Amino acid sequence: RKEVEQDPGPFNVPEGATVAFNCTYSNSASQSFFWYRQDCRKEPKLLMSVYSSGNEDGRFTAQLNRASQYISLLIRDSKLSDSATYLCVVNRVSGGYNKLIFGAGTRLAVHP
Amino acid sequence: DGGITQSPKYLFRKEGQNVTLSCEQNLNHDAMYWYRQDPGQGLRLIYYSQIVNDFQKGDIAEGYSVSREKKESFPLTVTSAQKNPTAFYLCASGALLRPNQPQHFGDGTRLSIL
Repeated sequence: RKEVEQDPGPFNVPEGATVAFNCTYSNSASQSFFWYRQDCRKEPKLLMSVYSSGNEDGRFTAQLNRASQYISLLIRDSKLSDSATYLCVVNRVSGGYNKLIFGAGTRLAVHP
Repeated sequence: DGGITQSPKYLFRKEGQNVTLSCEQNLNHDAMYWYRQDPGQGLRLIYYSQIVNDFQKGDIAEGYSVSREKKESFPLTVTSAQKNPTAFYLCASGALLRPNQPQHFGDGTRLSIL
């Protein structure tokens, strides 16, 4: 079983739709959590950190449930420009360094 | 502007050849990382370094080597021992032992076999 698991996708949604991404992690020692966005053939870019209290950035809302070891990302009012792969990432200190564990990503395609 | 620069963007390797991928950062980060990404898979850690002249193997270090002679630079050599080198290689940097601080990535090098 992978340490970070995401919906395999792809998600195909019309503009204006609300779309939810789910992610689970297996190591309870994970300390911090992020969503990254990766466009086709580009590097991952930080979308947002995820905090225990939940956090929002415009149309994007991230939630963390440490008890269930579950992370989510909600995108409201989808835009064509939101089409990308969304990576769930957890961070823990392992062997004295920050170890990032990446999910395989969920691809989102927003169509007109 | 602060950032991470990787070069080249595209690289072709012949059989039996070693190739070196460059990574330079001006973010004053202590920690630097090399990842490999294969289609449909998450990033996997090759090597990491927390301080000049020190580096550690990640999860898939076989067939790769690195050096960290300067804080700003962390080149990766893909040796002929790496039998399946075709992948997207990403360099990242981050603050040392600051788990709430995300890593920042360069724009990657695509390596292919000739």
